[in-house]
Amino acid sequence: DAGVIQSPRHEVTEMGQEVTLRCKPISGHDYLFWYRQTMMRGLELLIYFNNNVPIDDSGMPEDRFSAKMPNASFSTLKIQPSEPRDSAVYFCASSLAPVLQGAELVYGYTFGSGTRLTVV
Amino acid sequence: AQTVTQSQPEMSVQEAETVTLSCTYDTSESDYYLFWYKQPPSRQMILVIRQEAYKQQNATENRFSVNFQKAAKSFSLKISDSQLGDAAMYFCAFSGNTPLVFGKGTRLSVIA
Repeated sequence: DAGVIQSPRHEVTEMGQEVTLRCKPISGHDYLFWYRQTMMRGLELLIYFNNNVPIDDSGMPEDRFSAKMPNASFSTLKIQPSEPRDSAVYFCASSLAPVLQGAELVYGYTFGSGTRLTVV
Repeated sequence: AQTVTQSQPEMSVQEAETVTLSCTYDTSESDYYLFWYKQPPSRQMILVIRQEAYKQQNATENRFSVNFQKAAKSFSLKISDSQLGDAAMYFCAFSGNTPLVFGKGTRLSVIA
């Protein structure tokens, strides 16, 4: 498996423009997460999905942010309109619920490479 | 709400020496998982080691090991025989009934 794939890797846009970040999770993973990383706030959870259904979007900072997961293999995070304070690295991650492997319950997230967003 | 605290913003270690990164967490849950992630300059989040709370035995992965003290809610990472490639940001993370919650990270420098 190619892992979690995010695009674009870098995005520079002007204030007021719409930005769409994309994520392809690992096939078979039933959870998908969007995180934002900034120097000031560290890694924050924005929203997560289970089986394509949004479960908790309380971390989405404003109505300017929206996320969708139309199918099990694709998710988008959209910012409209973008502002300079949205500049950050946005990570997508996917996971399974804890699974029994032998005598162990195994659980972990796989992260994409992130999208560095710069709003000027 | 769960919180994760990493009290050392920066650490440094001599190559081949051992370093310990600290992490404490707060939760009322009894079943949960703890993780250490490494983030090199490439910004990729790499899972270093994982600990299940129900396990008393500390997890180890080659040169990486943890000291898990459940009663004290402490989860430190020990890196033995440090290598230049270990230089990175290290994040402690917690997951119980909610998604991963991260600490603010510790920047580790390795001195040749």
